[in-house]
Amino acid sequence: GQQVMQIPQYQHVQEGEDFTTYCNSSTTLSNIQWYKQRPGGHPVFLIQLVKSGEVKKQKRLTFQFGEAKKNSSLHITATQTTDVGTYFCAGTNTGNQFYFGTGTSLTVIP
Amino acid sequence: NAGVTQTPKFQVLKTGQSMTLQCAQDMNHEYMSWYRQDPGMGLRLIHYSVGAGITDQGEVPNGYNVSRSTTEDFPLRLLSAAPSQTSVYFCASSLTPPNEQFFGPGTRLTVL
Repeated sequence: GQQVMQIPQYQHVQEGEDFTTYCNSSTTLSNIQWYKQRPGGHPVFLIQLVKSGEVKKQKRLTFQFGEAKKNSSLHITATQTTDVGTYFCAGTNTGNQFYFGTGTSLTVIP
Repeated sequence: NAGVTQTPKFQVLKTGQSMTLQCAQDMNHEYMSWYRQDPGMGLRLIHYSVGAGITDQGEVPNGYNVSRSTTEDFPLRLLSAAPSQTSVYFCASSLTPPNEQFFGPGTRLTVL
């Protein structure tokens, strides 16, 4: 079956440092979504990528979709304490079923 | 708009009991889904629906039933609870797949 792997599982950074999480799929994806989940909360949609090689930015967050549409990354520049949470990628190739990565838990040390 | 609502927020069951987790959305979304979240395993899709009267199985459907009689509601039924079903359950909806998914606050279920 389809698998979406995400690394690292945990990341601790000093406030102001950069952070990157990587998402890899065993199959080609039609699109990929990214979500953020604060501790004790529910996943909140951040962005969707559809095109091969696509790069999108949201303030300090940069999202990339690989050329082969099998991997993606989320990069946060100059982390802040408000960035704390778990970041999930979710990929689909049919549109109806999303496969979530295992998530990367980000801790930001003030 | 209330968005996606889920009840109850917490539930403790004994092995073998049945129950229904409720999910409702007021955004007129066609697509609704149920996920379970377990430590270190991300979210796994249980069942989904692309419209009223249409449901399909996700990645981990065993032990769960769903129905979609209206656009707004998508209940998840546990027929005979097992300790392996201890988890946090999230309901989500989107206008049409594969658009942005809106998640409910979750139900934390413990099966003893």
